Amino acid sequence: KAGVTQTPRYLIKTRGQQVTLSCSPISGHRSVSWYQQTPGQGLQFLFEYFSETQRNKGNFPGRFSGRQFSNSRSEMNVSTLELGDSALYLCASSLRTGNNSPLHFGNGTRLTVT
Amino acid sequence: DQQVKQNSPSLSVQEGRISILNCDYTNSMFDYFLWYKKYPAEGPTFLISISSIKDKNEDGRFTVFLNKSAKHLSLHIVPSQPGDSAVYFCAAKLSGANNLFFGTGTRLTVIP
Repeated sequence: KAGVTQTPRYLIKTRGQQVTLSCSPISGHRSVSWYQQTPGQGLQFLFEYFSETQRNKGNFPGRFSGRQFSNSRSEMNVSTLELGDSALYLCASSLRTGNNSPLHFGNGTRLTVT
Repeated sequence: DQQVKQNSPSLSVQEGRISILNCDYTNSMFDYFLWYKKYPAEGPTFLISISSIKDKNEDGRFTVFLNKSAKHLSLHIVPSQPGDSAVYFCAAKLSGANNLFFGTGTRLTVIP
């Protein structure tokens, strides 16, 4: 079974630009979550989508948005990029939501903002 | 406010010995706890989990212990192998939610 796939693996953008990251969950998984990892803040929850609806959102500004498609694939968008947005962005999927099942992570997209 | 804490940034252990990684939490509403292992340039890999109704869960060389009264959990790896060298993250979930609260990680080095 293929794991969580994230594209692209690396991105370099300039301040003020916008970026879209993509995530394909494990087949059959309907919940997709996004996390940001930085050296200073660690792993922080961005948002979760289930059945194309945002179910939960972390404490990030509105510049960070996402969506989920009917095939459970998800995209995350960051607009008006800032230097502090440089981070590893991780996508995770799980079978369902709100129950005791583990999240499985992709290898992330490393975003560098210059 | 960090609700899940891993107070040891690093740990070194000899191959074949036991590795014990610790994690503390502050929110008594957490009801599911997980351990992840992370290599550089890869995403976290799920290792083992435990529900708050249990105090121990075992999977091969990995055992997780939960002490709810102390709000403390630990991961035991026996025997430790060089391939276990990685950063280990403790994480917790609230009942009915799917988002994880992560600790800051402990870098484990297993010395051959």
